[in-house]
Amino acid sequence: QKEVEQDPGPLSVPEGAIVSLNCTYSNSAFQYFMWYRQYSRKGPELLMYTYSSGNKEDGRFTAQVDKSSKYISLFIRDSQPSDSATYLCAMSFSGNTPLVFGKGTRLSVIA
Amino acid sequence: EAQVTQNPRYLITVTGKKLTVTCSQNMNHEYMSWYRQDPGLGLRQIYYSMNVEVTDKGDVPEGYKVSRKEKRNFPLILESPSPNQTSLYFCASSSDFPSYEQYFGPGTRLTVT
Repeated sequence: QKEVEQDPGPLSVPEGAIVSLNCTYSNSAFQYFMWYRQYSRKGPELLMYTYSSGNKEDGRFTAQVDKSSKYISLFIRDSQPSDSATYLCAMSFSGNTPLVFGKGTRLSVIA
Repeated sequence: EAQVTQNPRYLITVTGKKLTVTCSQNMNHEYMSWYRQDPGLGLRQIYYSMNVEVTDKGDVPEGYKVSRKEKRNFPLILESPSPNQTSLYFCASSSDFPSYEQYFGPGTRLTVT
């Protein structure tokens, strides 16, 4: 079983839709959970991070961690064409250990 | 401007010809890392460095070498490139805490024929 599973998509939604992106993981020792966004031909950039369980909101983005289910989510409200990108989940055991990435979900928001 | 730079951005080479991809960061970060990104396989870590003269293997280190003689630079060396090393390579850096906030370079697309 892979350590971090993420549906690769592609996911196509109309502008204004609520988008839900998800990852599951197998190792309960993960403590830090991140979402990176990668535009075409660019390096990934950190979008959001959370420590342990709970929710975190930043503008139109909400990150959610459910450690009991080993499941993390990223919600995008009022999606825009500029949100079209690949979204990578990532996690680590501690603040100084290497990140383990999901394979990424490609999202297209259609105007 | 805070950034991670990589050179070259694109490289086509032949099997066996040694090459180096440079990586430099101007944020005084202690932690640096190299990844390769392949379709269907995602981002996989090659090597990482917690500080000067401290390097460690990631998930896919075979066929690669690194060195960290200065804090700002972390070159990736392919001593004898092979076609299966054709990939998109990213360098990343982060401060020692929080290291989850990694800053990625723009990528180097390498083709080995």
